[in-house]
Formats: sequence, structure tokens, C-alpha cells
Amino acid sequence: QSVLTQPPSVSGAPGQRVTISCTGSGSNIGADYGIHWYQHLPGAAPRLLIYGDTNRPSGVPDRFSGSKSGTSASLAITGLQAEDEADYYCQSYDRSLSSYVFGTGTKVTVL
Amino acid sequence: QVQLQESGPGLVKPSETLSLTCTVSGGSISRYYWSWIRQSPGKGLEWIGSVYYSGTTFYNPSLESRLTISVAMTSNEFSLRLSSVTAADTAVYYCARDLYCTSVTCYNPRAFEIWGQGTMVAVSS
Repeated sequence: QSVLTQPPSVSGAPGQRVTISCTGSGSNIGADYGIHWYQHLPGAAPRLLIYGDTNRPSGVPDRFSGSKSGTSASLAITGLQAEDEADYYCQSYDRSLSSYVFGTGTKVTVL
Repeated sequence: QVQLQESGPGLVKPSETLSLTCTVSGGSISRYYWSWIRQSPGKGLEWIGSVYYSGTTFYNPSLESRLTISVAMTSNEFSLRLSSVTAADTAVYYCARDLYCTSVTCYNPRAFEIWGQGTMVAVSS
């Protein structure tokens, strides 16, 4: 089981705003390690959405935004679109495990 | 545009060694960190390990005793060897290029910026 916990699923209607939480502890997010977010469509390679807590790579729409506070981080998707239906993962580092770690993953469903 | 492509056997017998190669095209392997990540059926992503172009390696402690990651600059490739495999090693294996620094700052931990399409490896007799 991952040390970064995400809700198994979130859903929203087209155009709505959804948020995905990533809850860690003092040995990862709370130790001031950065958070990155990935979008993973079935059968495709994961795509980097957010790096360094809040930064978007070139080509990622500004509908996607990241934030971090304390031992948690969040990914927000505004103006939800059908193409956003995918699995989303947070990623950081855990100093107790001495390992890069991914979150448990969240499936986003567009109603 | 940098692209990564995994290659290797899709079926490995239990107790044998899983070997995969990631070929980098459209750019040099120099000055970057490169990683392997896997996803077991129905599960989430798991970091396997990383290698710097100079050959320095960083392994997931849970796999370290069975793991070797190496880089071949002349062929612009890096490789994964996982020994003594079991059914638990059945997964889609991805290779990736790490994002460490931009012109503005460096990131800790590194992110996985560019990914290969992944290759399915089944461990079965």
C-alpha cells in the first residue's frame, strides 16, 4: 500500500470543477519534497501534468492546477471535459522508505 | 522530439531474469536521469529505479537485491535486469526520462517527464 493516499474515484459533469487530494505524512510531502501529478489513459503512457507542486509542462491546458499545503497536495481540474476521463497519480519521495513513491491513484469519471 | 521505446521478452519464466532495454531517439542520453516504472495488473504505479547518464544508480529498496540498471551511451540506451522473478513481477514496464532541473530551478524529487509506451511482461511457466 502506498504512503500517498488518494480517493479511489471522483466524478463530475462536463464543465464542472473536480479536485483530487493526495495525503501523505511528515516523511514525504510534509518533509518539503515536491509533488508531481500524472494523467494515465488506458493503454497509453502516463503524461506529466504538474511538476514541482504547481508547474505545468508545455502543452498542458491551464484547466489543470496543483497546490500543496502541509502533508497534503491537490490537483484541480476546472471546466471538466470528456477527454479528462483517466486515472491520475501523485508522486513524491519518502525519506523513511528512501524511495520515490506514487499515490494510490484516482479514477476521474465525466458524467 | 525525444521518444523512448521499451523492448524485451513479453514472457519470462519464474526464477529467471527479466531483461528490458529502453532506446532513446530524438535526443542524447547525456546529462539526464533515466528511470524504470512499472504497473502491475489492477494496481498503481511503482518506481523501480533510476540511472544517471554517468552510470550512477538509484534503486527502490524493495527491489534492490534483484535489480541492475545500466546505461549504454554509445547506443543511446539504458537497460533493466530483474533477477529471480515471480508472478508478482508481472506488469507493464515503462521507461522514462527524468525532469531534474529547468533553467529556473531544480526539483526534488525528480519528475518523470517523458515516458515510453510501456511493454507488458508476464512471469509464467
